[in-house]
Amino acid sequence: NAGVTQTPKFRILKIGQSMTLQCAQDMNHNYMYWYRQDPGMGLKLIYYSVGAGITDKGEVPNGYNVSRSTTEDFPLRLELAAPSQTSVYFCASSYSPDTDTQYFGPGTRLTVL
Amino acid sequence: AQSVAQPEDQVNVAEGNPLTVKCTYSVSGNPYLFWYVQYPNRGLQFLLKYITGDNLVKGSYGFEAEFNKSQTSFHLKKPSALVSDSALYFCAVSDVYNFNKFYFGSGTKLNVKP
Repeated sequence: NAGVTQTPKFRILKIGQSMTLQCAQDMNHNYMYWYRQDPGMGLKLIYYSVGAGITDKGEVPNGYNVSRSTTEDFPLRLELAAPSQTSVYFCASSYSPDTDTQYFGPGTRLTVL
Repeated sequence: AQSVAQPEDQVNVAEGNPLTVKCTYSVSGNPYLFWYVQYPNRGLQFLLKYITGDNLVKGSYGFEAEFNKSQTSFHLKKPSALVSDSALYFCAVSDVYNFNKFYFGSGTKLNVKP
C-alpha cells in the first residue's frame, strides 16, 4: 500500500494563478480531509469528504474548492492564489471519522508570490 | 466552540529522563482526543487516542497519555525519553457534534538532548 500520496511536493505560484493539489489514497477509506499548516500553527481543516460525491466545508474553506468523484481521489483547487495561501497542505484519510486514526500524506509546500 | 491548547511551544528534556507534553481542551460533551507526531518534512503520524474507558492510554513508541476530565487535560508522557523522540507533537480533538471535524493544537517542539 502506498497509503496517502500527494503531488506536487513543492510549488511556487504567482498571485492570481490557479492550481490543483492532488491527493490519492489506496486504503479504500471513505473519509478524506484537506488541512493547511501555517508556520508555528496547528493544522486547520479546509474541506472534508465522507464519500464519493459528498464534500463539506471545514474551518477555513475560503479560496478553495474540492471535488470527490472517486473514493481514491480528493483534489484541492486554488482558483485565484493569494499570498495568504502560502502554507503546507496535508491530505489525510480515515476509515471512520471519530474512532479511527487519520493517515496523512507527506504534504505539499505552496508559496504564493 | 471546540478548541485545543498546547501551552508550551517547546519542551527540552535530557535523554533517559521522563517527558511530559501538555494539552488542554475545551469541548462540550465527551471528547475524542488524539496525539500525533510530526518529523521534519513529513506528514503527521498517529501516536494514540482516547475514546472512552481507562483514563491512561498507551500508544506507539512507548508513549502514553492521561485523560483527566476534571482538569480537561490530555497530557502526553513517556517514562524515558530518547533522542529520536525529538519532533513536533500535536494534540487534537474531534468535534463532538461532527466527528469529521478535527481541531489541532499549535504543536509543541520536543527536544531531547543526549
